[in-house]
This record gives sequence, structure tokens and C-alpha cells, in this order.
Amino acid sequence: ETGVTQTPRHLVMGMTNKKSLKCEQHLGHNAMYWYKQSAKKPLELMFVYSLEERVENNSVPSRFSPECPNSSHLFLHLHTLQPEDSALYLCASSQDRQAGVTFGSGTRLTVV
Amino acid sequence: GIQVEQSPPDLILQEGANSTLRCNFSDSVNNLQWFHQNPWGQLINLFYIPSGTKQNGRLSATTVATERYSLLYISSSQTTDSGVYFCAAARYTSGTYKYIFGTGTRLKVLA
Repeated sequence: ETGVTQTPRHLVMGMTNKKSLKCEQHLGHNAMYWYKQSAKKPLELMFVYSLEERVENNSVPSRFSPECPNSSHLFLHLHTLQPEDSALYLCASSQDRQAGVTFGSGTRLTVV
Repeated sequence: GIQVEQSPPDLILQEGANSTLRCNFSDSVNNLQWFHQNPWGQLINLFYIPSGTKQNGRLSATTVATERYSLLYISSSQTTDSGVYFCAAARYTSGTYKYIFGTGTRLKVLA
């Protein structure tokens, strides 16, 4: 495996369900990110972890709960979501002071 | 925080035409990247270009950091160039970079 891997690729969940999105990076990076991309809107930064500590939380509702157990793995735990949370969720990683950020393929989430 | 604006929002080209996409950012940045998002949502990194000029085949990019803009040039466009092009700017704060994206340019190349 190379790069940034996200699972699952697609997810349909009811508003009362609990699910988790998983991201794994094989690049030796020390920072990981969650972005949300809704239709017709730019990518919104949700969470940033640097060296496994959360350094940014852009006023994201508490129904989204991130977890970063180590520098290679990032999770986004979802519970009691709303239909407007349907979106493409993208994970990314970077290495401080080096060239740029690399994205995974995303999880397309539909809340019904 | 940093504001990123892209223009034009939409662009339709005939195959073989050239185009220039623009990205303006509101504050000094340490990093700037251009991405192409394919129809399946994958963001493909095109250039990491905080300053200067780079070329990769038919694509090239220039960032003038002192004037807070970057340009992406696409020459001899092909239908496979269709998709959304994003620029993202970042500044190093609180121990990491926060990448802020523009709203994108949606490009359609007609055969």
C-alpha cells in the first residue's frame, strides 16, 4: 500500500447509526487532516492533527469525533448525523516543512 | 485566516486550446498547491509551488508570492483535462500547516 488510503469508499447510514471512517497513510508524515466537501462548496477543513495531537477544530459539530491513535492512522467517528452531513470526506497527510499535502480517495457518505 | 479566491469559476474549451487559471490569496503563505479533482473525487496533486515557476508536460504554474497570486497554465488541452482545479494555500501556525482551498475552477474540454 502506498500513499493515503481511506475506507470505506462509500457509506450509507441512517440518522441513528454510529459508523467510523478510517484513514491510513504510508508516507511517514506527521500531520493528518479531515476535510469535508459538500456539493457546490469548497473543501472545508474539519480537523488537523500534528504528532497525534489535535491542533485545529474548525467549530465542527460534536456528532463528528476524530481520533488519531498514532501518526499513521486517523479515524472519524460519526453518530446521529443529519442529512446535510452527506458529503465527500477526504483525509490528507503532510510532513511539516516539506512539500505539500497528499489526499486519499475519499469516503462518499450519504445520510438517510 | 487566509482567504483563497479562484477565477474563472467555470471554463469551457475546445480541445487543443490553451487556458490560464488564477488563484489569489489574502495573506502571505508558506505553501501553495494546485490540484485536479477527477470525476471520482480524487484530488491529484499537480504542483507544489510556494514561489517561482514549474512545468510538467502540458501544465505549468507560476506563483508570485509577493503579489499573492498563482497561475496554472494548461496548453493544448485534452478532454482528459476536464474536472475541477483547486488551489490550496497554507501558512505554518500552531505547529502545522492549515491548507485553505479556493472554490475551484470547473473545466470542461470539448472534443
